[in-house]
Amino acid sequence: GAGVSQTPSNKVTEKGKYVELRCDPISGHTALYWYRQSLGQGPEFLIYFQGTGAADDSGLPNDRFFAVRPEGSVSTLKIQRTERGDSAVYLCASSNEGGHEQFFGPGTRLTVL
Amino acid sequence: QKEVEQNSGPLSVPEGAIASLNCTYSDRGSQSFFWYRQYSGKSPELIMFIYSNGDKEDGRFTAQLNKASQYVSLLIRDSQPSDSATYLCAVNSGYSTLTFGKGTMLLVSP
Repeated sequence: GAGVSQTPSNKVTEKGKYVELRCDPISGHTALYWYRQSLGQGPEFLIYFQGTGAADDSGLPNDRFFAVRPEGSVSTLKIQRTERGDSAVYLCASSNEGGHEQFFGPGTRLTVL
Repeated sequence: QKEVEQNSGPLSVPEGAIASLNCTYSDRGSQSFFWYRQYSGKSPELIMFIYSNGDKEDGRFTAQLNKASQYVSLLIRDSQPSDSATYLCAVNSGYSTLTFGKGTMLLVSP
């Protein structure tokens, strides 16, 4: 596919569990971003990768959140000891190196019961 | 704290009218400005970006930027019911991350 893809589309988990959310960016895009969006809010920045490294992780809310991009393509957002407040849509976006135009994936809706 | 402010709406306009969506931002160092459209249950879709003061037109859409007033707007001419969505204003402050407003819901009635 030509666009950003994210899996799973929906994830329901119980409080305290560990979850992984996956993002596959547009082919050739070196920059990858994670955002989360709560109902009625705009997307909130979490972390930005340029290649394999996290260039800016200032948006991660606490140390339960971690993200990797080991080969500079696919990225995984990992959330430990999930809390009900983590429930949101997690969006991934990608862009060309130096490009400011970010293209979003369909998102993963995370529900923590 | 970088902030982007938008009226949450809804902004209701009849079909064929001009819809005007507004956004203000707090960081004077902001360099680029984006408008995304988001349909209910879908992800944001980029429709316009603007870097320089003035107007930028693309089809029925015109983005306007006034850096002195820290103000960005989006005009939609000949509004269609299919334009009904939430419009998100986003600002880039010199690094690659975006700060989004909460969005303005636009309703275009037939």
